[in-house]
Amino acid sequence: KAGVTQTPRYLIKTRGQQVTLSCSPISGHRSVSWYQQTPGQGLQFLFEYFSETQRNKGNFPGRFSGRQFSNSRSEMNVSTLELGDSALYLCASSLTTSGGIDTQYFGPGTRLTVL
Amino acid sequence: AQSVAQPEDQVNVAEGNPLTVKCTYSVSGNPYLFWYVQYPNRGLQFLLKYITGDNLVKGSYGFEAEFNKSQTSFHLKKPSALVSDSALYFCAVSDALAGNNDMRFGAGTRLTVKP
Repeated sequence: KAGVTQTPRYLIKTRGQQVTLSCSPISGHRSVSWYQQTPGQGLQFLFEYFSETQRNKGNFPGRFSGRQFSNSRSEMNVSTLELGDSALYLCASSLTTSGGIDTQYFGPGTRLTVL
Repeated sequence: AQSVAQPEDQVNVAEGNPLTVKCTYSVSGNPYLFWYVQYPNRGLQFLLKYITGDNLVKGSYGFEAEFNKSQTSFHLKKPSALVSDSALYFCAVSDALAGNNDMRFGAGTRLTVKP
């Protein structure tokens, strides 16, 4: 079974621009979560989508948004980029059995650099 | 909200010796606990999880973890360390009350195994 894929793997943008990152979950997985990883803040939860609905959201400004499509693929968008948005953005998918929590399997990440 | 603490930034062990990476957690409800490993420039790889049942959980690559409810700990262990175990290890927790994949990660512990 193919793992979680993320595109692009690397991205360079300038301040003020916007960016869209894509994540394709493991086949059959309905939950997709996004995380931001930085040396200073570590791994921080952005949001989770389940069956096309945002189920939970972390403590990030409204510039960070996402969506999930009917095939469970997810996109994350960051508008008006700031230097501090430079990070590794990780996507994770899970099968999510009853109770809403299950093992999350991570993609390789998208390395975003904001200049 | 749930939280995780990894009290050691760095753990150094000699190859062949046992290793322990510490983790303590805080949740409102019942904890779902996870350990992940991250190699340089890679996403996170799942090692093991505790949801319910036996307090000693066995995972990938010979790792195991012991759930201790009274001490709110979930330490990662391996009887005999390998140089290839050198990586960044993350403990994570989800709260069963939340009913979603809002996973909170510790800051990570860098394990170095010396030959």
